Amino acid sequence: KNEVEQSPQNLTAQEGEFITINCSYSVGISALHWLQQHPGGGIVSLFMLSSGKKKHGRLIATINIQEKHSSLHITASHPRDSAVYICAVCVANDMRFGAGTRLTVKP
Amino acid sequence: NAGVTQTPKFQVLKTGQSMTLQCAQDMNHEYMSWYRQDPGMGLRLIHYSVGAGITDQGEVPNGYNVSRSTTEDFPLRLLSAAPSQTSVYFCASSQGAKNIQYFGAGTRLSVL
Repeated sequence: KNEVEQSPQNLTAQEGEFITINCSYSVGISALHWLQQHPGGGIVSLFMLSSGKKKHGRLIATINIQEKHSSLHITASHPRDSAVYICAVCVANDMRFGAGTRLTVKP
Repeated sequence: NAGVTQTPKFQVLKTGQSMTLQCAQDMNHEYMSWYRQDPGMGLRLIHYSVGAGITDQGEVPNGYNVSRSTTEDFPLRLLSAAPSQTSVYFCASSQGAKNIQYFGAGTRLSVL
């Protein structure tokens, strides 16, 4: 079993929909990252969380340390949000990654 | 600032050849890391460094060497390439593993 599990694997939404991507992990962590990988392959860091909630524009990330769970929400989704979203956890200086969630937002 | 620069962007090798993937950052970051990304498996950590002169192994270090002689550079060496090393390789840097990671554009490597 992977240490970092993401769901769903694939997600298709209509423009404007509210989207949630989930990440569960089974190890003790010092931080959790959400990354976005564009169709062209580039990877951008969206959030780093160690507790609570962060918001940036239409993106919201939450983490529950006790339940070992994090969610990434996208409000008012847009076709430009189409990408692969990756959850990664930091274990000391080591990084472990989920397999990613492929999001497609249709106009 | 250029951020994290990886070279080359594409490379084709024959089995047994050696090569070095270059990674440089201009943000004075202490933490640098190399990942490989394979279809269906996600990103996996190969090696990382927490500062000049200090390196350590990640999840999949076999077949790869690294060194960190300066803060800016963190090259990844394939001593004898194997088809199993066909992958997309990403370098990243940050103030620390807990901090926001900055990724290079990636190197697509094929080993025939």
